[in-house]
Amino acid sequence: DIVMTQSPDSLAVSLGERATINCKSSQSVLYSSNNKNYLAWYQQKPGQPPKLLIYWASTRESGVPDRFSGSGSGTDFTLTISSLQAEDVAVYYCQQYYRTPRALTFGGGTKVEIK
Amino acid sequence: QVQLVESGGGVVQPGRSLRLSCAASGFTFSSYAVHWVRQAPGKGLEWLAVISHDGTNTYYADSVKGRFTISRDNSKNTLYLQMHSLRAEDTAVYYCARDPGSTWVGLLDYWGQGTLVTVSS
Repeated sequence: DIVMTQSPDSLAVSLGERATINCKSSQSVLYSSNNKNYLAWYQQKPGQPPKLLIYWASTRESGVPDRFSGSGSGTDFTLTISSLQAEDVAVYYCQQYYRTPRALTFGGGTKVEIK
Repeated sequence: QVQLVESGGGVVQPGRSLRLSCAASGFTFSSYAVHWVRQAPGKGLEWLAVISHDGTNTYYADSVKGRFTISRDNSKNTLYLQMHSLRAEDTAVYYCARDPGSTWVGLLDYWGQGTLVTVSS
């Protein structure tokens, strides 16, 4: 299985400041035949199920604010919250879906808090 | 609107069985693949299984292969997870989640609220 490693485990950011979360996969999730990275990001607020934020590494799901952006390719990816809002306090997970059917795997999560 | 509502969780003794259900509404259930994902208390997400839109294809995580069975009844708009030989480490909130594809893409675009399974004597 592809192992997903996130860093940091947690971070505290002031309101309005930038938050950056990293995700590294144990093998490339870039499929050469279509040049797509099979990498998604989810947000899980306390007491709620996860919510899909970004897929194909950089495509925002409908309704997701544009302060959320995804970047990266191959094995290294980043989720950036450009201006942290109070409602962004959550745990964020990356997930690979490379060439399914194959086990989907998630990163360990990054907890984002307000400084 | 898309809704997924899990049920069937509870406290079960080690070694026993349990069946979870996920009732879907607000979309054409028979057109989408659906997954089960779990989250142990205070831990991260673990994908368990997926079933294609018509139930003909399934795929499991190694951790549950042979013990858990995913199935669906499209006439009832319901997804199931039959769990056997439960262990303490199966204690978790179990979520069902829709895949945007009919076989599967591997994305989870809508999630239920989850049902808690506690395996304890």
